[in-house]
Amino acid sequence: NAGVTQTPKFQVLKTGQSMTLQCAQDMNHEYMSWYRQDPGMGLRLIHYSVGAGITDQGEVPNGYNVSRSTTEDFPLRLLSAAPSQTSVYFCASSYSGFEKLFFGSGTQLSVL
Amino acid sequence: SQELEQSPQSLIVQEGKNLTINCTSSKTLYGLYWYKQKYGEGLIFLMMLQKGGEEKSHEKITAKLDEKKQQSSLHITASQPSHAGIYLCGADDNQGGKLIFGQGTELSVKP
Repeated sequence: NAGVTQTPKFQVLKTGQSMTLQCAQDMNHEYMSWYRQDPGMGLRLIHYSVGAGITDQGEVPNGYNVSRSTTEDFPLRLLSAAPSQTSVYFCASSYSGFEKLFFGSGTQLSVL
Repeated sequence: SQELEQSPQSLIVQEGKNLTINCTSSKTLYGLYWYKQKYGEGLIFLMMLQKGGEEKSHEKITAKLDEKKQQSSLHITASQPSHAGIYLCGADDNQGGKLIFGQGTELSVKP
């Protein structure tokens, strides 16, 4: 099992550009989520999904879109990147929302 | 909304010393998770606590949840350089989806 796979590992964008962060898991987990990590602020939940076709907002959803068309994939879209979105992004999954999360290795995003 | 506050924010200890990290919630905790993050990597699950008064141990790390289920502590005995990293507590909102985290405690262990 590969676990939770995030791509890319690093990305530099210009303000206004769009991009998609990819997340895939091969553990047949129903629950998937996206977090951003900023210095001194821990992890903040962006969006999450409790199953294919179902998504919901977390603590900091503005500027991000998600979709869950399959159980395996949960991409995060930045429609118009802003410098405030410079951060490290983590994707995570679990069997359900009440169990331990398995994390990807992160994507370091810089928006200039 | 629920908030988690960790203390201290950073900690430097000499190898072999004991240490404690605290996590305090603004609301009753239904599930409290401890994770460790090595620099530049993702988070690794350490332990989960659910019941008031519950205590779990793994190797030299012990986590406790108080009886009122609003505070948890993580205790490391005889710290080693391999314990260095960022420790985060997380809690679910009992509504099946939102696992929130504290701001993290950065631990350095000096040889």
